[in-house]
Order: sequence, then structure tokens, then C-alpha cells
Amino acid sequence: NAGVTQTPKFQVLKTGQSMTLQCAQDMNHEYMSWYRQDPGMGLRLIHYSVGAGITDQGEVPNGYNVSRSTTEDFPLRLLSAAPSQTSVYFCASRLQGVNTGELFFGEGSRLTVL
Amino acid sequence: GQQVMQIPQYQHVQEGEDFTTYCNSSTTLSNIQWYKQRPGGHPVFLIQLVKSGEVKKQKRLTFQFGEAKKNSSLHITATQTTDVGTYFCAGPEKKTSYDKVIFGPGTSLSVIP
Repeated sequence: NAGVTQTPKFQVLKTGQSMTLQCAQDMNHEYMSWYRQDPGMGLRLIHYSVGAGITDQGEVPNGYNVSRSTTEDFPLRLLSAAPSQTSVYFCASRLQGVNTGELFFGEGSRLTVL
Repeated sequence: GQQVMQIPQYQHVQEGEDFTTYCNSSTTLSNIQWYKQRPGGHPVFLIQLVKSGEVKKQKRLTFQFGEAKKNSSLHITATQTTDVGTYFCAGPEKKTSYDKVIFGPGTSLSVIP
């Protein structure tokens, strides 16, 4: 099993450019989510999804779009990148439900916006 | 919305000393999870606590869930250099019929050999 796969691992953008961070999981997890990690801020939830066609906002959704057309994939789109979006992004998935256990994380995507 | 806080933010210990990090939620949690992130790595699940007052051990690590299910702690006995990393607690914030997972800011542990 590959688990949670994120691409790209590294990306440099100019302000105003758009891009998509890809996330795929092969564990048939209903729940998928995106976090950003900044020094001293921990992991902040951007968007999450509890199944195909269902997405919702997390703590810091502004500037990001998501969609969930399949169970396996949950891409994160930056429509007009800003330097404040320089961060490490993690995709994570798990089974849905209140006490269903661990989040499985991808290896992260490091984004720099100049 | 729900807030999850952790203290301390940083901890430097001599190898062999004990270490404790504390986690507090602004709301009652149905469960709490702990994760470890090594420098340059991704968070890795350590454990989940569900019951009020629950205590679980993993070798030198002891996890507790408070009686009110609003706080938790992770204690490491006799730290080793392999314990270096950031420890996060996380809890579900329930929205209608499903929940999202909110993380605390983490405690970064350094171990001096």
C-alpha cells in the first residue's frame, strides 16, 4: 500500500500564480483533509471532506479551494498565490466517524511563494 | 470554534530526564489523539484515548485523558535522543453528523546527549 501520496514535494511560485497540490490515498478512507504547518503555529486545518462530493471549511480556508470527485483524490487549489501561503502542506486521511482512530499523513509539500 | 492548547511550546532536557507535555481543549472531547513529528518528517499517530480518566502506556510513554475529557498529558520517562521531535495532541470538533480534527500547536522536544 502506498498510503497517502502528495505531489509535488517542493514548489516555488510567484505571487499571483495558480497551482494544485495533489493528494491521493489508497486505503478507501472517507475522510480526507488538508493542513498547513507554519513555525510555532502547529497544524491548521484548511479544508476537509467526509466523502465524494462533500467538502467543508477548516480553520484557515481563505485562498484555497478543494473538490472531492472520487474517494481516492482530494486536490488543493491555490487560485492566486500570495507570500502568506508559503508553508508546508500536509494531506491526511482516515476512516470517518467519531472514534475511528488515526490520521494517516502524506510526506508533505513545501511551497514557497515569492 | 474549538481551541486546543499545549504547553510548553519548547522543552530542552538532558538525556535521561523525564518530559511532560500538557494539552487542553476549550470543549469536551469525544477522544484525543497524540502524534509525533520528527524534524523534517510528517506527523505519525501514537495513540488515541477515548474514556474519561483513561491511562495508556507505550514503553516509556504514558498518556492520560482527564476526567472531564478536556485535557490530556503525555509523559516520557528517561528521555532518549530518539524522542526528539514535536508532539501534537488533536481532538475532533463535531459539526452536525461528522467531525473535523483540530490540532494543538505542539510541544517541541530537544534532548541533549
